[in-house]
Amino acid sequence: NAGVTQTPKFQVLKTGQSMTLQCAQDMNHNSMYWYRQDPGMGLRLIYYSASEGTTDKGEVPNGYNVSRLNKREFSLRLESAAPSQTSVYFCASSSLAGGPRKGQETQYFGPGTRLLVL
Amino acid sequence: LAKTTQPISMDSYEGQEVNITCSHNNIATNDYITWYQQFPSQGPRFIIQGYKTKVTNEVASLFIPADRKSSTLSLPRVSLSDTAVYYCLVGDRNDMRFGAGTRLTVKP
Repeated sequence: NAGVTQTPKFQVLKTGQSMTLQCAQDMNHNSMYWYRQDPGMGLRLIYYSASEGTTDKGEVPNGYNVSRLNKREFSLRLESAAPSQTSVYFCASSSLAGGPRKGQETQYFGPGTRLLVL
Repeated sequence: LAKTTQPISMDSYEGQEVNITCSHNNIATNDYITWYQQFPSQGPRFIIQGYKTKVTNEVASLFIPADRKSSTLSLPRVSLSDTAVYYCLVGDRNDMRFGAGTRLTVKP
């Protein structure tokens, strides 16, 4: 059981280049998320997918697109990378614990992808 | 959206108990309170979650007063390996705001 895996671990891009960050989970979770974390700051939600076939914007979606390929995989694409997108990107997944109250889901995070845009 | 406020940093020594308090004045009736831990170069890891009163697991305790406007994460007898950033979150999966967290440094 690998949990949440991310590829690549590290990537250097030139401004204007495109790339796709891959994420997969083997815990049969319904929800998946993409965050970015800038130095010394907390995580900010980029996009999330509450279930297979659905995606929604988070706090900082501009410059990104996502695809929920199937229940296991959730990819993040940068169409035209900019230096402001230099960050560490984390993928996470969660499964609703049940009940009407919010915040019951525990998120499981991947190891992160370090992206440097020159 | 329930905004959370935590101290930016805290120092402690090995073997001491550490209490980190989080303020969340606008918490909604149905919101749970969740704490995560993050080591350098790793993704956050779930520590504990609660709704009211006290919750305890093998890692920590979470104290939540009756008005639920704050919560306190308690780490018993910390060790050097507890040096990390601790995040308090309130809300649901569609609106998880991590904030800057509390950077805990445990000294020998």
